[in-house]
Amino acid sequence: RKEVEQDPGPFNVPEGATVAFNCTYSNSASQSFFWYRQDCRKEPKLLMSVYSSGNEDGRFTAQLNRASQYISLLIRDSKLSDSATYLCVVNGQTGANNLFFGTGTRLTVIP
Amino acid sequence: DAMVIQNPRYQVTQFGKPVTLSCSQTLNHNVMYWYQQKSSQAPKLLFHYYDKDFNNEADTPDNFQSRRPNTSFCFLDIRSPGLGDAAMYLCATSIAGPETQYFGPGTRLLVL
Repeated sequence: RKEVEQDPGPFNVPEGATVAFNCTYSNSASQSFFWYRQDCRKEPKLLMSVYSSGNEDGRFTAQLNRASQYISLLIRDSKLSDSATYLCVVNGQTGANNLFFGTGTRLTVIP
Repeated sequence: DAMVIQNPRYQVTQFGKPVTLSCSQTLNHNVMYWYQQKSSQAPKLLFHYYDKDFNNEADTPDNFQSRRPNTSFCFLDIRSPGLGDAAMYLCATSIAGPETQYFGPGTRLLVL
């Protein structure tokens, strides 16, 4: 079983739409959770960390459900510039330095 | 200002010809990572250094080696590149542990 699993998409949504991505992780001992954004042929960049209480950054909201071992990302009022691949990232185990990346969910926002 | 720098950005090598990719950082972070990313796949961790401590992932082929001569620099050596090693190689750093990782722009390797 993969450490991190995501729906690869693609998600094609019109500008202004709300879109949600989900991600599941296999290691119940994982402590750190992130969403990264990766543009085509570029490096991943941190979008936001995910906290147990949930967190919001402008149009982006991240939620963590430890009991079900899933993480979500909600994007409101989608912009053309939101088109990218969104990577769910989880650390392997308590105290470990390494992170595991999902394969990413590709989003295209259409004018 | 670039914080994680990778050189070269594009590298073409021949089948079996050793190649070295380099990464440098101005962040003074303790941890440096090397990932391999193939098209439409997740970045796959090859190994990482916590200071001078080297940590190899169990499924990283012996063909891949790494060196970290000092805090700022880390190298990825591919001893005998095969066609299957063509990929984007990403270097990343973090202050410590599974914290936010900062990625370099990557080196795209082509094996002929």
